[in-house]
Amino acid sequence: DAKTTQPPSMDCAEGRAANLPCNHSTISGNEYVYWYRQIHSQGPQYIIHGLKNNETNEMASLIITEDRKSSTLILPHATLRDTAVYYCIVRSYLSGAGSYQLTFGKGTKLSVIP
Amino acid sequence: SQTIHQWPATLVQPVGSPLSLECTVEGTSNPNLYWYRQAAGRGLQLLFYSIGIGQISSEVPQNLSASRPQDRQFILSSKKLLLSDSGFYLCAWSVPGREETQYFGPGTRLLVL
Repeated sequence: DAKTTQPPSMDCAEGRAANLPCNHSTISGNEYVYWYRQIHSQGPQYIIHGLKNNETNEMASLIITEDRKSSTLILPHATLRDTAVYYCIVRSYLSGAGSYQLTFGKGTKLSVIP
Repeated sequence: SQTIHQWPATLVQPVGSPLSLECTVEGTSNPNLYWYRQAAGRGLQLLFYSIGIGQISSEVPQNLSASRPQDRQFILSSKKLLLSDSGFYLCAWSVPGREETQYFGPGTRLLVL
């Protein structure tokens, strides 16, 4: 799995958009970008994933650059409940292509401020 | 919709005592099931995974064991707990073949004294 780099921490004002960057310059053609988050004292939560097109769901939007070397997770209207550590993971989508373990790096600690 | 339950939520146990943590999944059939441990301030470590009833794979050697007596039930056990077993234990499930998208339970916080 390709390595990812994220800033260790970010602040965002409540109600504003939170833009969380992730660099994955060694990503290969069959690897997807996945985002999870972990709120304090809870299990990780799947947010969104994508290959090369931008994706949107009820939680967030994922913008992947044309060269796929970086991506940005966007929380359009951050709330206090979005305070969490956000993890960017690059994984192959192919069945059986990778291990069963999800490898979380250190992620970005997002603090949403009132 | 699918839900995943874990219990107990917190547990304080003495060294040398046995352990049994339970995880159940609702709303899906034949899921892949996983046990992870997260030590304080550290990342997630995969302990066991299961692709079917009675099929358990261990990722790391330790004094813990896992069992899957039913399709949607996954149990983590120990005969004698060590201090180093303290941590946050997370159960997760995924659709078979889609290990990259895992859905986690609320976790059990275990403190061994």
